[in-house]
Amino acid sequence: GAVVSQHPSRVICKSGTSVKIECRSLDFQATTMFWYRQFPKKSLMLMATSNEGSKATYEQGVEKDKFLINHASLTLSTLTVTSAHPEDSSFYICSATPPLAGGEQFFGPGTRLTVL
Amino acid sequence: QKEVEQDPGPLSVPEGAIVSLNCTYSNSAFQYFMWYRQYSRKGPELLMYTYSSGNKEDGRFTAQVDKSSKYISLFIRDSQPSDSATYLCAMTMGGNYQLIWGAGTKLIIKP
Repeated sequence: GAVVSQHPSRVICKSGTSVKIECRSLDFQATTMFWYRQFPKKSLMLMATSNEGSKATYEQGVEKDKFLINHASLTLSTLTVTSAHPEDSSFYICSATPPLAGGEQFFGPGTRLTVL
Repeated sequence: QKEVEQDPGPLSVPEGAIVSLNCTYSNSAFQYFMWYRQYSRKGPELLMYTYSSGNKEDGRFTAQVDKSSKYISLFIRDSQPSDSATYLCAMTMGGNYQLIWGAGTKLIIKP
């Protein structure tokens, strides 16, 4: 159970362009999804918490105008990196929490973003 | 002081050995405890989930929680080279509270 998919798995883009990453819960409805960023050999850094039908809650230091999050349905959340720069290159991972969960999160496979 | 402390390793053990991974925490409000395994360039995979003090076993894995000491452990029996990965502990107060992560321990099982 509890499968989360992410698309694309890898993307390379030019500086200044925007990139959209999709996160889907395949076998459950997720009222809450989370977006993380992970640097090499580091733990996960929470960027934002996304609740279906409402605005995302961003962590301190994360620019909400740069990292646009949309959670339009109970199975889909999207992260758009706007006007990407090389320093945005990173591994982005989403997770989702099933209903009535005690706090455990199920993760997607991640998206490797490289900005040239 | 970090809320969750975890030795980043690397921890290198021979195949077949029993592995012990540990985390300590400072916030007594944490109620739910998880261990994730992450292979390189992959998303974390939930291995164990517990919410009470004591032991929970699943195959070769045993999760142990000691709330009085604010200490959790993951034991891996009969370790295999395929167990080589980074193991992250995580904990939360529950519900939609965010997970608080350990730094992750890199585990290497030598054939």
